[in-house]
Amino acid sequence: GQQLNQSPQSMFIQEGEDVSMNCTSSSIFNTWLWYKQDPGEGPVLLIALYKAGELTSNGRLTAQFGITRKDSFLNISASIPSDVGIYFCAGLQGGSEKLVFGKGTKLTVNP
Amino acid sequence: KAGVTQTPRYLIKTRGQQVTLSCSPISGHRSVSWYQQTPGQGLQFLFEYFSETQRNKGNFPGRFSGRQFSNSRSEMNVSTLELGDSALYLCASSYSTGGGNTIYFGEGSWLTVV
Repeated sequence: GQQLNQSPQSMFIQEGEDVSMNCTSSSIFNTWLWYKQDPGEGPVLLIALYKAGELTSNGRLTAQFGITRKDSFLNISASIPSDVGIYFCAGLQGGSEKLVFGKGTKLTVNP
Repeated sequence: KAGVTQTPRYLIKTRGQQVTLSCSPISGHRSVSWYQQTPGQGLQFLFEYFSETQRNKGNFPGRFSGRQFSNSRSEMNVSTLELGDSALYLCASSYSTGGGNTIYFGEGSWLTVV
């Protein structure tokens, strides 16, 4: 099925560093959602974006909805050990509840 | 407000058997969708229900089916289980605002087929 291009696939960083990951697509999306998934758990919604150009923050997390509506990025500032997990981007196209997911970015934070 | 609740959390089935998974959405959410997550394929959309009607269906064989009840609770069923059906099955509920849809996931049901 259709998937978003999410990069990087994995990241190994030191505690306190900033992190950036992004998703791109050849298709237009009306909504971009970012999730974090811990082992054995379901994805937890971090940030929802609804308008092209929108920049939204949630604590140390900041995400943007690309102007072309074909991309989005997520930044995490001053990473901490509990940021470890897999981050997924997901997009919704017009009139649909069907989420299209990226393959995830696995984040490892070294204390 | 309680989150999306899925039962059972873990189950083991034998090839050829069938399985039913249950999902209770967040109170007030009328849309429920199901996803399959595997290491190889990632998160794949199965189907979506709204007011007891299936609105969207993913590219899965007919062995995968679902339904939604009048109280918005949903079930999915997989018949004639195959080894490749081993996966984490995730239920999500959503609500729509003027701005867009917000979708929340449950913790999932881990299915192992042996």
